[in-house]
Amino acid sequence: EAQVTQNPRYLITVTGKKLTVTCSQNMNHEYMSWYRQDPGLGLRQIYYSMNVEVTDKGDVPEGYKVSRKEKRNFPLILESPSPNQTSLYFCASRSQSGNTEAFFGQGTRLTVV
Amino acid sequence: GEDVEQSLFLSVREGDSSVINCTYTDSSSTYLYWYKQEPGAGLQLLTYIFSNMDMKQDQRLTVLLNKKDKHLSLRIADTQTGDSAIYFCAEKSGGYNKLIFGAGTRLAVHP
Repeated sequence: EAQVTQNPRYLITVTGKKLTVTCSQNMNHEYMSWYRQDPGLGLRQIYYSMNVEVTDKGDVPEGYKVSRKEKRNFPLILESPSPNQTSLYFCASRSQSGNTEAFFGQGTRLTVV
Repeated sequence: GEDVEQSLFLSVREGDSSVINCTYTDSSSTYLYWYKQEPGAGLQLLTYIFSNMDMKQDQRLTVLLNKKDKHLSLRIADTQTGDSAIYFCAEKSGGYNKLIFGAGTRLAVHP
């Protein structure tokens, strides 16, 4: 089954404690991206990756890092989480020829206290 | 910059039609999309329309695009309780690698 898998689904952490949210897709998609969803703001793009070792900033990259060492994985790293990063995070993927992110992960709800 | 706006809430009776509206600002948008988000789930691509089209119909869904007014709408015919969800409008501008999302419209379907 074609899918985008994120882990964990829920996470509560403390300010300053580094964390990684993993994202994996099994469709051999070139393009992957991370969004955060906040009430009243919709989804905003954090980072995207056009292919292995190619990443770029989205609209709200501050406080986040990503890496794309393998095609299937695109982890989101918070080196020093802060309470304003409490949000719902989504990973998405599509093929290079696709015209949109047709596949989204189930989401990771992160709370930073 | 680019902006997408939509009303936050819509309540309809089961069996009626729902119309969710959206406005966008970027006239160079190539594709416009509707996503559905059910509680606790990710986003599901419902349908999309290319900017040179006025209308697209897919079973109970009808998308209307008024490019002059930068207005997009999603009509759901014979709305069912299973249609209760948040619906996001999104645009993709030419040359950009991101989608610009609206805040989402929560559709509540009542008996």
